[in-house]
Amino acid sequence: GEDVEQSLFLSVREGDSSVINCTYTDSSSTYLYWYKQEPGAGLQLLTYIFSNMDMKQDQRLTVLLNKKDKHLSLRIADTQTGDSAIYFCADGGANNLFFGTGTRLTVIP
Amino acid sequence: DTGVSQDPRHKITKRGQNVTFRCDPISEHNRLYWYRQTLGQGPEFLTYFQNEAQLEKSRLLSDRFSAERPKGSFSTLEIQRTEQGDSAMYLCASSYGQGEGNEQFFGPGTRLTVL
Repeated sequence: GEDVEQSLFLSVREGDSSVINCTYTDSSSTYLYWYKQEPGAGLQLLTYIFSNMDMKQDQRLTVLLNKKDKHLSLRIADTQTGDSAIYFCADGGANNLFFGTGTRLTVIP
Repeated sequence: DTGVSQDPRHKITKRGQNVTFRCDPISEHNRLYWYRQTLGQGPEFLTYFQNEAQLEKSRLLSDRFSAERPKGSFSTLEIQRTEQGDSAMYLCASSYGQGEGNEQFFGPGTRLTVL
């Protein structure tokens, strides 16, 4: 079955850039997504990228996709303490999403 | 529109009891999904509906689980004879299904604790 992997933890200083990485196995994915989950809350869709694109920028967020290596990354510029959360990448299957285990981002003031 | 809503937000039950959760999707969305999330893991797909038709079920959805979406709007997820291993956050999501991106928007979840 589909496998989506992420590193578990990332710590950055406030104002620095954060880069969260993800690898996936399904080469037929049409879209890849990034979600944010704060403690006790549901998942908030941050952004997505179509599989035939290699980059998408949305304000402080930049998504890079290397389809050959099946590698996805999310860069957060000027990271703020409010960005502390768990970030999930998700591979868009035909009718559902396959999620990674999430990366817990801690922003140090 | 207030987004996807779920009820209840928390449910504590004893092993062997039946529980039912409700999800109200974003009103114009024709697709509705159920996921389960356990501690330290990402959500895992359970099932999805397009309008009132249940089109896919995960192997995680045992015979004790049943989901319905009778009028193509809200959905219910019932777990019969609950087990401690059913303790998890149950998430509902909805999407338009035809637009670019097919983005799924999630509700706040129902946290189930089986004692």
